[in-house]
Amino acid sequence: DIQMTQSPSSLSASVGDRVTITCQASQDISNYLNWYQQKPGKAPKLLIYDASNLETGVPSRFSGSGSGTDFTFTISSLQPEDIATYYCQQYDNLPMYTFGQGTKLEIK
Amino acid sequence: EVQLVQSGAEVKKPGESLKISCKGSGYSFTSYWIGWVRQMPGKGLEWMGIIYPGDSDTRYSPSFQGQVTISADKSISTAYLQWSSLKASDTAMYYCARRVVPAPMRDYFDYWGQGTLVTVSS
Repeated sequence: DIQMTQSPSSLSASVGDRVTITCQASQDISNYLNWYQQKPGKAPKLLIYDASNLETGVPSRFSGSGSGTDFTFTISSLQPEDIATYYCQQYDNLPMYTFGQGTKLEIK
Repeated sequence: EVQLVQSGAEVKKPGESLKISCKGSGYSFTSYWIGWVRQMPGKGLEWMGIIYPGDSDTRYSPSFQGQVTISADKSISTAYLQWSSLKASDTAMYYCARRVVPAPMRDYFDYWGQGTLVTVSS
């Protein structure tokens, strides 16, 4: 099974800060990685697919990069509405999917 | 408008059976896989399994194989997740989501239901 390790598990940042979350796969998954945002009490929402492609309608302050085993999710300028938990998800061995354990983002 | 609408919250006792639903609208229900995701209280997302309503082809995560049954009734555009004998550890929020494969090896869940909270307690 492919394991996904996200870090940090939580972080606190100020409005306007650049925020970075990493996700590491236990084996090479090429670019088969998505990022989701889950706000409290809500369903997850797709933000980034194929590691670096922004889903339609998602603000451009969100971005993703990486391939192979190491991936990065970035918010270029944190906004109050970005408070959420963020999950990476791999799909290298379809139709099996694995989520990272999540990163809870709070405003300082 | 694409929508996935899930059935309401359930409170059950250990050993009882349960079937929750996810009704799709605004798109061709038989042309997209529907996945189920578990979220235990205060925890992360776990992929459970997926079904193609067009032919009921179903795949399960090894962690959930034999523990739940995923089915679909394409005549009413509804997918189901069911348990034959609930345990307290099944207490969780359950989400359905539409799987999209817009290109080879491009695969994600683009629309999600609102979630169904299942509470199992004696």
